[in-house]
Amino acid sequence: GNSVTQMEGPVTLSEEAFLTINCTYTATGYPSLFWYVQYPGEGLQLLLKATKADDKGSNKGFEATYRKETTSFHLEKGSVQVSDSAVYFCALVQTGANNLFFGTGTRLTVIP
Amino acid sequence: EAGVTQSPTHLIKTRGQQATLRCSPISGHTSVYWYQQALGLGLQFLLWYDEGEERNRGNFPPRFSGRQFPNYSSELNVNALELEDSALYLCASSPYSGAQSYEQYFGPGTRLTVT
Repeated sequence: GNSVTQMEGPVTLSEEAFLTINCTYTATGYPSLFWYVQYPGEGLQLLLKATKADDKGSNKGFEATYRKETTSFHLEKGSVQVSDSAVYFCALVQTGANNLFFGTGTRLTVIP
Repeated sequence: EAGVTQSPTHLIKTRGQQATLRCSPISGHTSVYWYQQALGLGLQFLLWYDEGEERNRGNFPPRFSGRQFPNYSSELNVNALELEDSALYLCASSPYSGAQSYEQYFGPGTRLTVT
């Protein structure tokens, strides 16, 4: 079956620190991979995506590379800001299907 | 361009009652998805509608049902409410063409509280 395993939170970092949130997946075939972000009091927003192996998704300084050999899609940012404080969800959608499978979410708090 | 909208924002019901949640997709999107975000359980897929038909459902009992209207808006109905149905219900939409998957755009959610 399909599943997504995400790094447990919460994660607290100082401003300008380096961020990594680990995500690994189990799926048959070749899923598309996503990172969604949920800011306080808001709905989910798509942060970045990758649809095939070795693709790198990037947005707002965040990056993630689709690694088929390690079935991973780790989220990274070189220098976090207070405004990055949110819950981050890793997700996949199976080729030919449409429903997203989500990880449990990782809460990030960035302190000044 | 307007995003996905959901109503109501909050809904309070008592156990055993029925709840109806509504969703309007982004203009041009034909697929609507419902997800439940319950405390401690993460985000779980509930239902997928496209072109007025239910295409897939998650591992939820039949008292969770819904429909999609000709204008592609959708309703989620939860019958015989139980305390554990308290959650944030998120609606998402995407364009859908054949078997190709597209990214989903989420609404702000409806917070359902069952007392």
